[in-house]
Amino acid sequence: LAKTTQPISMDSYEGQEVNITCSHNNIATNDYITWYQQFPSQGPRFIIQGYKTKVTNEVASLFIPADRKSSTLSLPRVSLSDTAVYYCLVGDTGFQKLVFGTGTRLLVSP
Amino acid sequence: ETGVTQTPRHLVMGMTNKKSLKCEQHLGHNAMYWYKQSAKKPLELMFVYSLEERVENNSVPSRFSPECPNSSHLFLHLHTLQPEDSALYLCASSQDKTGRSNTGELFFGEGSRLTVL
Repeated sequence: LAKTTQPISMDSYEGQEVNITCSHNNIATNDYITWYQQFPSQGPRFIIQGYKTKVTNEVASLFIPADRKSSTLSLPRVSLSDTAVYYCLVGDTGFQKLVFGTGTRLLVSP
Repeated sequence: ETGVTQTPRHLVMGMTNKKSLKCEQHLGHNAMYWYKQSAKKPLELMFVYSLEERVENNSVPSRFSPECPNSSHLFLHLHTLQPEDSALYLCASSQDKTGRSNTGELFFGEGSRLTVL
């Protein structure tokens, strides 16, 4: 089981870059790494997915080192609306492996 | 708009009631999921359907009964629930690429907030 570990919470200010690291020491060869964002009383929303090296889209970047035992979600110039819980999910074969951890609660202040 | 629609958004029921939650996805996906999210707890996977076949039942009590009549619709039938079943119930869908594996890209609905009195 590819378990993930993330910081419980992080604080930041508007305009700063935020980096959230996820540890997944038991990641398997076929696993992808996916990050989700969740606002209160809403379903999680897909942010970004990667397998190795670096992936960038219009909202975030995902950095994955060569050993793939961790990954870092980078949010450039956060705003108040980025206050949410961010989940790191490691995709394994078999649906029972799709386990969400406790996530990282990001608070962005003015 | 995620392409996954859940109804009702809010539901209050007594412990002896029977109700159902509905989920519909407009993404052409072939896998659908029910998750439960209690206050200050991680999302708990309840059921998974792939190609309308149930492939996962994560030790969920029998008072929760899922139904997947086709690849676009998923129901969660509720009966004789307990107050501790009060939670946000989230439906999700994904495209199962290789039969039983999934890379984790889930599309969630906005959830049904259930309160059991």
